Order: sequence, then C-alpha cells, then structure tokens
Amino acid sequence: KQEVTQIPAALSVPEGENLVLNCSFTDSAIYNLQWFRQDPGKGLTSLLLIQSSQREQTSGRLNASLDKSSGRSTLYIAASQPGDSATYLCAVRDNAGNMLTFGGGTRLMVKP
Amino acid sequence: EAGVAQSPRYKIIEKRQSVAFWCNPISGHATLYWYQQILGQGPKLLIQFQNNGVVDDSQLPKDRFSAERLKGVDSTLKIQPAKLEDSAVYLCASSLAQGFGTEAFFGQGTRLTVV
Repeated sequence: KQEVTQIPAALSVPEGENLVLNCSFTDSAIYNLQWFRQDPGKGLTSLLLIQSSQREQTSGRLNASLDKSSGRSTLYIAASQPGDSATYLCAVRDNAGNMLTFGGGTRLMVKP
Repeated sequence: EAGVAQSPRYKIIEKRQSVAFWCNPISGHATLYWYQQILGQGPKLLIQFQNNGVVDDSQLPKDRFSAERLKGVDSTLKIQPAKLEDSAVYLCASSLAQGFGTEAFFGQGTRLTVV
C-alpha cells in the first residue's frame, strides 16, 4: 500500500526566503506526482504535475523535482510572499493510472 | 471552462441522520473521485469511478456510505446514518481519463459537521 509523507508538517518563514517542501513515497512504481495548494476552507488547486519519466517541472516561482527511484519529490518556492501562505499537498498516482494517494500536507506561513 | 461543482458547501446534521452530497465534474471527464479530508490531514480516497463503473472503493465504509454515478456524469455520495467521526470536508475531483498524464481537478468541497 502506497504511503506518502510530507516534511515538515508546518513551516513559518519571513518574506523573501527561498524554501523547499519535501514529499516522500514508499512505492516507486508511480505514474505521476501532483503538487496542490489548499487555502483555508477551500478546495485544492493544482500547481504542478510531473510524469514519472520527467525530472522536474517549473511554473513561475515554483519548481518541482522528482526522483522516482528514491521515492522523493521536492517543491521549491523562490522569493516567498505572504500570498504563498497555504497548505501544500503532494499526491502520487499509481502505475495503473488510478488512485491518487495524498500526503498529510505542509502548512506554510510567510510572514511580511 | 467550468470547474468541478459541488453542493452544498456546508451541512450540519445530528448524528444518526442521513446526508447526501452532489458533484458535477468537468464536462468530458471520465474519471470521478470522492475524497474525505479530516481537519489537519491529507485527503483520503473513498471511491473512484471510471464513467459509471467503480474502479476502487476499498476505503469506503460500505455499512454507512454509498455513492453512485448515474449516466457517467454527476455523482452523489450518501452517508446513512452519520457518526460524529464523519465530520470532515468531502472533496470531489475529476480527470479527463484514467492514467496517462491526466491531471486531477478538485471542487470546493462540502464541509460536514455532525453534532
């Protein structure tokens, strides 16, 4: 059974810092990995999708990397802003392309 | 393009009552998911549909939860009878097809409080 872990569970940083969020998964036989953002009381917004054959994806100040063999992904946020404050979730899709398994999330607070 | 629509946004019920949630996925999306998200945790898959067939319902508490997706479009999730531990946000998501690079899109969720 796939298990996804996100470290740290919570993070508080001053504005302007570059930061890294970590995601690890136990079964490397994944199809893809997706990073989401969740604001309080809201649904999930997709940030980046990385296919198992890819090493990284970039969108603006966000960069996600994937090392499938070691079961790890990182989300890098450059020059953090208070508006980046949210919970960040990673999810992996199994090799049959079926279910998404989520980690517990990292709650990020960026202080002005 | 319209997103995944869910209703109601909020629901408060007493334990042992029944409740139903509705989801309308993005047009043309064959795969539909229902997730349960307890406060402070990541979402947990309850059931996955491919068109109107069930792909995975291994984590659905079938003694009290049921879901259907008639005609392969809209879906409803029902809880009967509800327990206090069912208090959570219920998220619906859809994706274009099973597998192959498909990105999942989520609705705003329904926040259920059981008192």
